[in-house]
Amino acid sequence: QQQVKQSPQSLIVQKGGISIINCAYENTAFDYFPWYQQFPGKGPALLIAIRPDVSEKKEGRFTISFNKSAKQFSLHIMDSQPGDSATYFCAARDYKLSFGAGTTVTVRA
Amino acid sequence: GAGVSQSPRYKVAKRGQDVALRCDPISGHVSLFWYQQALGQGPEFLTYFQNEAQLDKSGLPSDRFFAERPEGSVSTLKIQRTQQEDSAVYLCASSLEGGGAYEQYFGPGTRLTVT
Repeated sequence: QQQVKQSPQSLIVQKGGISIINCAYENTAFDYFPWYQQFPGKGPALLIAIRPDVSEKKEGRFTISFNKSAKQFSLHIMDSQPGDSATYFCAARDYKLSFGAGTTVTVRA
Repeated sequence: GAGVSQSPRYKVAKRGQDVALRCDPISGHVSLFWYQQALGQGPEFLTYFQNEAQLDKSGLPSDRFFAERPEGSVSTLKIQRTQQEDSAVYLCASSLEGGGAYEQYFGPGTRLTVT
């Protein structure tokens, strides 16, 4: 069964807008929550990650918010650019990664 | 140095054929993972090596799937008697240390199409 649930499946945002992707998990053994960006024909590339003892982490235009009690975390992409158009996966790790189903983000110029 | 490399990048197999997919991890990386990514889905775990030891193969979908890493570096994923449901992208990832303590770096994947 899927251990990490991700939504929405896809989203369209105007250039300069904010993209928000949400994920939820059940397994409390997970100790690390990365987000990956994947372009067609490429492998997933680590974008940003957070540990459960931190509620928020920001790197440039990308921010993760983490709610340990609700077992939810989200990715915010600020000032979205056409180059951000890709598929984004949340994941959770014990030692292996369990991925969400992915969100296809399209940024319209 | 170079990242994780995989070969071939694309493989077309007739149903019933055997295939072998190769992964060259980043030099010095102890841990190696294989994942299967179906079209439009997130990657799913297949198996995990720490050096040459296969510590977890719980994700392998059937006994037709076999993975090895005999010298603790290059790994091969073999699929015997391929079926159409095996069509997917097979991703390899490596990390510096065992136990999941370090980032996993992914290769570009091998796209397998079974006709």
